[in-house]
Amino acid sequence: QLQLQKSGPGLLKPSETLSLTCSVSGDSFSSNRYDWGWIRQPPGKGLEWMGSIYYSGSVYYNPSLKSRVTISIDTSKNQFSLNLNSVTAADTAVYYCARGGAIGAYFDSWGQGTLLIVSS
Amino acid sequence: QSALTQPPSASGSPGQSVTISCTGTSSDVGAYNYVSWYQQHPGKAPKLIIYEVRKRPSGVPDRFSGSKSGNTASLTVSGLQAEDEAQYYCSAYPGNDNLIFGGGTKLTVL
Repeated sequence: QLQLQKSGPGLLKPSETLSLTCSVSGDSFSSNRYDWGWIRQPPGKGLEWMGSIYYSGSVYYNPSLKSRVTISIDTSKNQFSLNLNSVTAADTAVYYCARGGAIGAYFDSWGQGTLLIVSS
Repeated sequence: QSALTQPPSASGSPGQSVTISCTGTSSDVGAYNYVSWYQQHPGKAPKLIIYEVRKRPSGVPDRFSGSKSGNTASLTVSGLQAEDEAQYYCSAYPGNDNLIFGGGTKLTVL
């Protein structure tokens, strides 16, 4: 089960940094069979994969976001995190964390999602 | 990497079958058997219904089936039910440790 937590308000100003943490319950977190990913969905639009990380710490990013995204993992807390810097209005979206079956394969368990709005 | 192409809408009457297409290229859909489909109801997180082109996760009804031909993947929903009305997204692996989604198809049960 994945539980998404916001670090800070759901409203950000342009140029600020978005930070989210996903807590994972269950034994699968420590398995390198799975990756742990972030996917976002602008209001009324489709899904966009942002990046994923393995328990080992190997991390992979969407090339279109790579310069602004950092994904990290805290194995002691069963958590993984997303930081997106220099946000603009285009980053307004529902952000989901999810468990993947390998990079590019599928996501079979999703967190509840959280809406982050970027506005001045 | 471009998004996969899905029709914006599809519809069918209860009991009928409907097929939703997902068109990519020889570098993504056509290259790997890593095509997945997700169902999303309004205000909810997406739910995986098909992975690796045609496999169904436990608990997904066998009314949902997937296939692939060349650069186009398809999701077929047979015996349409009212609860199948939702947004459907495909995804595919385009190589280079990346993942792309389709733009989504709104399925309406008439």
